[in-house]
This record gives sequence, C-alpha cells and structure tokens, in this order.
Amino acid sequence: DTGVSQDPRHKITKRGQNVTFRCDPISEHNRLYWYRQTLGQGPEFLTYFQNEAQLEKSRLLSDRFSAERPKGSFSTLEIQRTEQGDSAMYLCASSFRGGSYEQYFGPGTRLTVT
Amino acid sequence: AQKVTQAQTEISVVEKEDVTLDCVYETRDTTYYLFWYKQPPSGELVFLIRRNSFDEQNEISGRYSWNFQKSTSSFNFTITASQVVDSAVYFCALIDYNTDKLIFGTGTRLQVFP
Repeated sequence: DTGVSQDPRHKITKRGQNVTFRCDPISEHNRLYWYRQTLGQGPEFLTYFQNEAQLEKSRLLSDRFSAERPKGSFSTLEIQRTEQGDSAMYLCASSFRGGSYEQYFGPGTRLTVT
Repeated sequence: AQKVTQAQTEISVVEKEDVTLDCVYETRDTTYYLFWYKQPPSGELVFLIRRNSFDEQNEISGRYSWNFQKSTSSFNFTITASQVVDSAVYFCALIDYNTDKLIFGTGTRLQVFP
C-alpha cells in the first residue's frame, strides 16, 4: 500500500522560469488537494480535484498557477514566470470522498526561486 | 469565518515530561471535523487523529491523548512521558465541511531534549 508521492522533492529555479510538480495520490482516493506551506506557517489550501474535475481554487492561486488532474489519477501543478515569493513547500494530499475525511499527505516539493 | 489558533509557538521539555499542545477553533458549522497532524523534520505531514463535532469523548492512543471540549471550542493534545522522537511541529486543523479543505493553525514546535 503506497502513500502519496511527489516529484521532485526539491527544485531550485531562477526567477522567471516555469516549473512543474507532480503528485501521485493513493490509488483508490478520488480527491486530490494542493497546499502551500511557507516557513513558520501552516499549510494553506490552493486547489482541489474530485476525480478529474477541479472544484475550487484559492485566491492564493494567481493566474500564473495552473493545476490539472487528467483522467483523475496523478496531478500536476505548474507555476509560470516564477517569482521569489513562490518559494515554499508545495504539498499534495489525497482522500476518499465518502470516507472519513482524513487527508494523507505526500513528502512535498520544496521550491526555491533565486 | 473558520479559524484555528495555536497560541504556543514553541515548547521545550525534557524527556519523560508530559506536555499539552493547545488548539482553539472557530466555525459556524454545526457539523465539523478536527484533526491533528505531526510534521517531523523530514517535512511530511503525518495524520494523528480525527474527531467529529458530535463526539466529545476523550481519546487515548498510547502516550497520546486528546481532549475535545465544544463549550470552549478547544481540541488539546497531550503527550505523556515525552520522547526525543516526539520532536516535531504539530498542527491542529479544521475541515471545511463543504469542500473538505483543511484549515490549519500555525503549528506548535515541540522540542524534547534528552
């Protein structure tokens, strides 16, 4: 029984570059969430999917951010024209809607924008 | 508005001491769920417990226990006989019942010294 996986674990990029992160949820989970965590803070919700449908996006998610979940399996989060303020840990979680609401988190992708 | 407050930013104890982490929440929902997660230095959020608003029974799991009091909107977490491996950041969270997104507090960093 594998947990949530994320790739890459670390990404260093220069300001203005585009980056893409991948999340593979627990296989039977139909909900997938993206959160962002900055130093000293709790994770903040970005967006979530039920199967392939993106149901909500936070105001934190500017138009430089886009997320997809093709076929309701893995998800990608892309940041275009990165800014230094995008430096954070990007966390993915999954859950089973109709279950007991626990969200299981992956190890995160730490993004550093120089 | 929904909110979770963890007033203790950092707590330091010596091994074998008992320690309580405080969590106060705000919500207008009559049905809600509360969670505790542990984030060790590796960064991955580990689910510890879920409690729904209809169940005010205290729960004990090994050295961990949780005290849920609706009257004071609190969901406190106690570690008995703390160990060095308990050193981590602990997050209390509330779920938005409509979207299942988690609303986290700012976390309490626990350091257990040998």
